[in-house]
Amino acid sequence: GQQLNQSPQSMFIQEGEDVSMNCTSSSIFNTWLWYKQEPGEGPVLLIALYKAGELTSNGRLTAQFGITRKDSFLNISASIPSDVGIYFCAGFFNTNAGKSTFGDGTTLTVKP
Amino acid sequence: DAGVIQSPRHEVTEMGQEVTLRCKPISGHNSLFWYRQTMMRGLELLIYFNNNVPIDDSGMPEDRFSAKMPNASFSTLKIQPSEPRDSAVYFCASRGLTNEKLFFGSGTQLSVL
Repeated sequence: GQQLNQSPQSMFIQEGEDVSMNCTSSSIFNTWLWYKQEPGEGPVLLIALYKAGELTSNGRLTAQFGITRKDSFLNISASIPSDVGIYFCAGFFNTNAGKSTFGDGTTLTVKP
Repeated sequence: DAGVIQSPRHEVTEMGQEVTLRCKPISGHNSLFWYRQTMMRGLELLIYFNNNVPIDDSGMPEDRFSAKMPNASFSTLKIQPSEPRDSAVYFCASRGLTNEKLFFGSGTQLSVL
């Protein structure tokens, strides 16, 4: 089946630093989604991308839909302590029986 | 909207007991998903429903697991008999039928002793 490789697995950064993470797939998707999970809660959607090459921002977060349609990137600028959590990428292809494929997540720790 | 509502938030039970997890999706959402999250295996899709009909249950670990959706506003995931390796956080999520954006509940933390 489809698999998503998300990297890095974890990151420990200082407050104020920028963060980059990415997701690659062996097959193409026509939608990429990024979710954030905080401790004790379910994942929450951050950004959705619908077109190859698309660049979308949500506050300090910026995500890109890769040109090949097999990858996506998420950047967080000027990190703050409340950015801590697990960030998941998910790929969706509407003929894939209607389900998203999730990456294994990137755990972000921000030191004040 | 109250979002996806799951109950209970925490469940502690003994091996061999039956466990029932409950989910109320967002009103108007036609698709409902059950996920399991563990450190070792990450987020795993167990089963999902479209318009109350199970579409894909290939992620259900074994016959001890069963899920039902008797109507558009309620679903259950049952484990009988439960085993320690079932300990995990179980999430329910819903979305519109033609919408790829998932809305997750807060999860049920299950511990089987």
